[in-house]
Amino acid sequence: QKEVEQDPGPLSVPEGAIVSLNCTYSNSAFQYFMWYRQYSRKGPELLMYTYSSGNKEDGRFTAQVDKSSKYISLFIRDSQPSDSATYLCAMKGLVGYQKVTFGTGTKLQVIP
Amino acid sequence: IAGITQAPTSQILAAGRRMTLRCTQDMRHNAMYWYRQDLGLGLRLIHYSNTAGTTGKGEVPDGYSVSRANTDDFPLTLASAVPSQTSVYFCASSSHGDLNNEQFFGPGTRLTVL
Repeated sequence: QKEVEQDPGPLSVPEGAIVSLNCTYSNSAFQYFMWYRQYSRKGPELLMYTYSSGNKEDGRFTAQVDKSSKYISLFIRDSQPSDSATYLCAMKGLVGYQKVTFGTGTKLQVIP
Repeated sequence: IAGITQAPTSQILAAGRRMTLRCTQDMRHNAMYWYRQDLGLGLRLIHYSNTAGTTGKGEVPDGYSVSRANTDDFPLTLASAVPSQTSVYFCASSSHGDLNNEQFFGPGTRLTVL
């Protein structure tokens, strides 16, 4: 079993829809939770990060962490065609700070 | 500011050949990383370096070597390429002073080994 599980999609939604992207994990040592966005043929870029449990909002994006369920989510409100990309969840613990474990990514397509 | 640059952008290589992928960052980050990204497997860490002069093995180090002679450069060498090393390779860097340890990625090198 992988440490981080992420549905690969693809996920196709109409413009303006609310998108929910999710990851589950098995390592209870994970404390930092991140979402990276990767456009086609580009490197990943950090979108949001959250420490421990709770919600964090940034514009149209909301990251949610439920450590009791080992489940994290990224919500995108009013989705735009420019949101079409692959979204990678990532997480790490406090010890061994350099090791980040990535999910396999969910490909999202927002249809105009 | 360029951030992280990688070269070449893409390469087709015959099996058995030696190949060095180049990575340079201008952010003065302490740590640097090499990942490979394969469909269905996501990003897997090959090697990393916490600071100039030190390197460490990641999840899939076999067949690869790295060096970190200075802060800015972190080349990845395939001593004798094999077809299973066909992948997209990403270099990344981060600052130890950043609690979040945000990793900044380069644009990638697409490598095909025939």
